Amino acid sequence: GENVEQHPSTLSVQEGDSAVIKCTYSDSASNYFPWYKQELGKRPQLIIDIRSNVGEKKDQRIAVTLNKTAKHFSLHITETQPEDSAVYFCAASLPMYSGGGADGLTFGKGTHLIIQP
Amino acid sequence: DARVTQTPRHKVTEMGQEVTMRCQPILGHNTVFWYRQTMMQGLELLAYFRNRAPLDDSGMPKDRFSAEMPDATLATLKIQPSEPRDSAVYFCASGRANEQFFGPGTRLTVL
Repeated sequence: GENVEQHPSTLSVQEGDSAVIKCTYSDSASNYFPWYKQELGKRPQLIIDIRSNVGEKKDQRIAVTLNKTAKHFSLHITETQPEDSAVYFCAASLPMYSGGGADGLTFGKGTHLIIQP
Repeated sequence: DARVTQTPRHKVTEMGQEVTMRCQPILGHNTVFWYRQTMMQGLELLAYFRNRAPLDDSGMPKDRFSAEMPDATLATLKIQPSEPRDSAVYFCASGRANEQFFGPGTRLTVL
């Protein structure tokens, strides 16, 4: 099965600086890579995703890059703000079944992002 | 703003008791997932359904866990008998295409 490694486990940055979280995956057949943000006691929230036919995707202050050859993908947050403080999870999905629809996600262990005022 | 809903939000039970968790997926989503989150193991996929048919339950302990989807608006996850190691937050998620949206979770404590 798929295995996803995520680094670092904790990241502390000054407000206004950029933050980068990196993930690697093991199965080259994985084709969908979402990122989730989870605040304490809340549900994981999808913040951005990328498919294997795309190298980069951006949405305002967040961007994701994918290197299929190296099997790694990264989340970039620019101009960090206090509300960005949370745990961020990367995930990968293998296309297991036909018929259209999502497949199960394998998650990284999470990165606790701390924005220092 | 459609959201996945789950009940109960919190459940405290004693070892050996049956626990049933319920999920209402977002209308129109054809795939429903069950995940479990613990500090030690993180987020793990337990099982999922597409168009109400079970696709994969390889992440689920078969002897005590069962998942069903009796209709398009209800998915259930049952643990019988429950054990202290089952203590975790259980999330339901639903999706179509690739995106998955999570419910608020059921925090289960087994004493």
